[in-house]
Amino acid sequence: GQNIDQPTEMTATEGAIVQINCTYQTSGFNGLFWYQQHAGEAPTFLSYNVLDGLEEKGRFSSFLSRSKGYSYLLLKELQMKDSASYLCATTSGTYKYIFGTGTRLKVLA
Amino acid sequence: NAGVMQNPRHLVRRRGQEARLRCSPMKGHSHVYWYRQLPEEGLKFMVYLQKENIIDESGMPKERFSAEFPKEGPSILRIQQVVRGDSAAYFCASSFEPTYEQYFGPGTRLTVT
Repeated sequence: GQNIDQPTEMTATEGAIVQINCTYQTSGFNGLFWYQQHAGEAPTFLSYNVLDGLEEKGRFSSFLSRSKGYSYLLLKELQMKDSASYLCATTSGTYKYIFGTGTRLKVLA
Repeated sequence: NAGVMQNPRHLVRRRGQEARLRCSPMKGHSHVYWYRQLPEEGLKFMVYLQKENIIDESGMPKERFSAEFPKEGPSILRIQQVVRGDSAAYFCASSFEPTYEQYFGPGTRLTVT
């Protein structure tokens, strides 16, 4: 079957670093995606990993271990505007996303 | 270049009524995907359409739900005889090719009373 697990909620302080973990089981793996979704808005693309290792993009980094079925999103120098849900997603076939339930991140001043 | 547009943004229907949700893809995109996000759940794939064709409706409930993407005009997701369990956010995404590079619209929040 296909399954994605990520924590429901996390809280962190402005300026800190937070790591959001995601474990997955899927067939036909074509990569691991992270999306950001502010309340009431569309998901927006953050990162895509298809090979093992760390991908860095500004304050955001994403890591993938295919053998462990594990990924994390690392957010550095947290800002208040980073308060949002972070969705981990993998794929089935060429176009079908399988999303996790999302992690609600609250950034406190 | 306008993004994916959905309307209405909020829709309230009584049980038994019909709901019509519209999605205009990004300019130049001919592939449309519909996802549903139930409260406290992740987005779930419903259907993938290309102009005038349903390519994959494996995530669509067998009854009361239908989707179309006519040659002219937006894609429509239609829910007949709505029930309370249909209350959710419905997101549309579009792409230039059938890939994961999908751009999401702002969603339609359906509330069934």
